[in-house]
Amino acid sequence: RKEVEQDPGPFNVPEGATVAFNCTYSNSASQSFFWYRQDCRKEPKLLMSVYSSGNEDGRFTAQLNRASQYISLLIRDSKLSDSATYLCVVREGYSTLTFGKGTMLLVSP
Amino acid sequence: GAVVSQHPSRVICKSGTSVKIECRSLDFQATTMFWYRQFPKKSLMLMATSNEGSKATYEQGVEKDKFLINHASLTLSTLTVTSAHPEDSSFYICSAGSREEGYNSPLHFGNGTRLTVT
Repeated sequence: RKEVEQDPGPFNVPEGATVAFNCTYSNSASQSFFWYRQDCRKEPKLLMSVYSSGNEDGRFTAQLNRASQYISLLIRDSKLSDSATYLCVVREGYSTLTFGKGTMLLVSP
Repeated sequence: GAVVSQHPSRVICKSGTSVKIECRSLDFQATTMFWYRQFPKKSLMLMATSNEGSKATYEQGVEKDKFLINHASLTLSTLTVTSAHPEDSSFYICSAGSREEGYNSPLHFGNGTRLTVT
């Protein structure tokens, strides 16, 4: 069974903190990886793709370790608006996409 | 960027009636459509995957006769909840992918339909 595992949290952090989320996946043949964020009662929205060499987008850094089948997301200088559920998503092919259950982040003033 | 339009965004219906949810890709050809369901404070659960012109593949535990999926064109997929019951009340979300975009492209999500069955 293909699985994507995440710590559900919640992660409670103050504004300005750095927080890291981890995700592991079971299918070594997985081809592409993403982080989505989902706000309460809304659809998931793409945060960033995850590339093998690691990639950064402003305060967000994503890393992929294929050998360990591990993906991470680092958020620096947390903002109140970062409060959301972060979903790790793994794509095995055109027709196969697996979501983790999500990690909830709560950023407080 | 690619846009997926989902309609309606909210629907309230009586128990026993059927509800149709539409998902349209506005500026790309959606080769594959995914339908998800999310109960309050729960994670997204894949219900079914459909490729244009072929029958949908349903996940284990999802009744294909209750949740009818049609993906007759490259821009439209529909999910019909037949004989809806209160336990079908949930947030239904579609997402679309295009073969032309390749494996490394993310999926594009509709904005979801909140179904309440009374």
